[in-house]
Amino acid sequence: DAKTTQPPSMDCAEGRAANLPCNHSTISGNEYVYWYRQIHSQGPQYIIHGLKNNETNEMASLIITEDRKSSTLILPHATLRDTAVYYCIVSSHSSGSARQLTFGSGTQLTVLP
Amino acid sequence: GAGVSQSPSNKVTEKGKDVELRCDPISGHTALYWYRQSLGQGLEFLIYFQGNSAPDKSGLPSDRFSAERTGGSVSTLTIQRTQQEDSAVYLCASSPQVGVSYEQYFGPGTRLTVT
Repeated sequence: DAKTTQPPSMDCAEGRAANLPCNHSTISGNEYVYWYRQIHSQGPQYIIHGLKNNETNEMASLIITEDRKSSTLILPHATLRDTAVYYCIVSSHSSGSARQLTFGSGTQLTVLP
Repeated sequence: GAGVSQSPSNKVTEKGKDVELRCDPISGHTALYWYRQSLGQGLEFLIYFQGNSAPDKSGLPSDRFSAERTGGSVSTLTIQRTQQEDSAVYLCASSPQVGVSYEQYFGPGTRLTVT
């Protein structure tokens, strides 16, 4: 799976949009971009994923550049409960094979009151 | 709908005892993963089930660890003769693993402390 690069930390004011970048310049054509987060002392939580089109769900939006070498996770109205470590992962879909998650260092997002 | 559940939430055991950890995945999810996470560390993959079979057991740290899944649903992770280094949070995740849906949904974990 392709390697990803994320800033180690970011701050965001409560109520503002949090924009978390991720570089994945070696992504291959069949690899998806996934985002997870881990709030302190909790298990990881799936947020969103996409291949090439922008995606939106109830938690966040995912913007993928046209060349697919980078993406941005957007939390439109950050709350204090969004404080967590956010992980960007690229992974292919291989039917029947294990797709175990390997988290890098991620971005520690701190939402400030 | 109901998410992934795990039991017990906390387990304290004496060194040398056996423990069983249980995972109830989301209904209909064919794939099930076990991980463990030590304090301040990343996820360590243990084992993967597709249905009831375990094609990838590569992460099990020793032969004291075993896991099974029955009926394509509930899974148990068994640790025999526990050691202090087994202390960690054990996380279970399930995934639909069909079409474009390969995301994993995690349970709250079982915190195992070996004294």
